[in-house]
Amino acid sequence: DIQMTQSPSTLSASVGDRVTITCRASQSISSWLAWFQQKPGKAPRLLIYKASNLQRGVPSRFSGSGSGTDFTLTISSLQPDDFATYYCQQYHSFSWTFGQGTKVEIK
Amino acid sequence: EVQLVESGGGLVKPGESLTLSCAAAGFTFSSYAMNWVRQAPGKGLEWVAFISDASNYYADAVKGRVTISRDNAQNSLYLQMNSLRAEDTAIYYCARGGGCFGDTCYYPDYWGLGTLVTVSS
Repeated sequence: DIQMTQSPSTLSASVGDRVTITCRASQSISSWLAWFQQKPGKAPRLLIYKASNLQRGVPSRFSGSGSGTDFTLTISSLQPDDFATYYCQQYHSFSWTFGQGTKVEIK
Repeated sequence: EVQLVESGGGLVKPGESLTLSCAAAGFTFSSYAMNWVRQAPGKGLEWVAFISDASNYYADAVKGRVTISRDNAQNSLYLQMNSLRAEDTAIYYCARGGGCFGDTCYYPDYWGLGTLVTVSS
């Protein structure tokens, strides 16, 4: 199985900060990577697909980059609604795998 | 509007069985692969099973104990779970997408709200 490693596990930031989360795959997944946001008690929400494509309705302050094994999610200016847990996910294979999550907390 | 609504969760004892359902609406259900993904309390997301027209795949953690199926006429997805264990306690989500066909791989673009399965004596 393809392993996905996210960092950091927790991130403390303030409103307006630029935030970057990284995700590394154990083998090349081309650009078959998605990013999700999840809030407590809610289902995951798709933010980015195919590494850098913004899902319809997602604010433009979210962006994704990378290919192969190394990927990044960036929030250009953190807003109060963005405090949540973020997951990367590879869909290069039938057996999806997710990163362990990054919790973005208020500093 | 795409909708996925899970049902069938509940409290069961170790060793018992449970069948989850996912009712789909707002899209041509038969044209999409579907998946079950679970999330244990306070933990991350874990893929459980995949189904397309031609194939099924299972996570090692559930292989041999779980069967994924679908009824395209009823726009429904199912997950039959047997020999349940405490570590199967989780919210179970159905998610649309998955698989790679030709040059394209399909991401999970829509998720249901989930159904909680609790395995405890």
